[in-house]
Amino acid sequence: DIQLTQSPSFLSASVGDRVTITCRASQGISSYLAWYQQKPGKAPKLLIYAASTLQSGVPPRFSGSGSGTDFTLTISSLQPEDFATYYCQQLNSYPPTFGPGTKVDIK
Amino acid sequence: QLQLQESGPGLVKPSETLSLTCTVSGGSITSSSFYWGWIRQAPGKGLEWIGNSGSRYYSGSTYYNPSLKSRVTISVDTSKNHFSLELRSVTAADTAVYHCASAVDYYDSSGYPNWYFDLWGRGTLVTVSS
Repeated sequence: DIQLTQSPSFLSASVGDRVTITCRASQGISSYLAWYQQKPGKAPKLLIYAASTLQSGVPPRFSGSGSGTDFTLTISSLQPEDFATYYCQQLNSYPPTFGPGTKVDIK
Repeated sequence: QLQLQESGPGLVKPSETLSLTCTVSGGSITSSSFYWGWIRQAPGKGLEWIGNSGSRYYSGSTYYNPSLKSRVTISVDTSKNHFSLELRSVTAADTAVYHCASAVDYYDSSGYPNWYFDLWGRGTLVTVSS
């Protein structure tokens, strides 16, 4: 199985900050990576697929980049509703696997 | 707008079968635009993909996580507009929040097919305990 690591595991930030989360795959996955946002007790929400394609309805302050083994999710200006846990998922091969998550908390 | 809602027992005894249903509303489960999957998250652990059913990319086949394949079945009931998960011979390690999700296919810039989960249910906690 392809392993995904995320860094940092936890970050504390303020409203308006630029935030970058990294996802690294144990082997190349082309651009077959998605990012999800999850708030406590809520359904995970798709933010980005194909590494950099913004899902319809997701604010443009979210962006994704990368290919191969290294990927980033960037929030250009953190908003109060963005405090959540973020997961990456690789869809290059079965079984699809998820990163362990990055929790973004209020500083 | 498509919505997904999981339902089923919140407590299952060890060695028994966990059975969950995901009701699809706001759209038809027979739509060629979507297919269906299950994901779980054990307490304090990460997300684990269980399986997908019906991808056109895979000729409509059902695919399961190899770690669960011998114990799991995903089925689609078009008459009830829902799909189901069965996990047999459960143990405490199967205690988790179980999410259902809809998946969609797309073609990348090189023309190769791929997919992603575009919508998830909120999830339902299933505890395995006697």
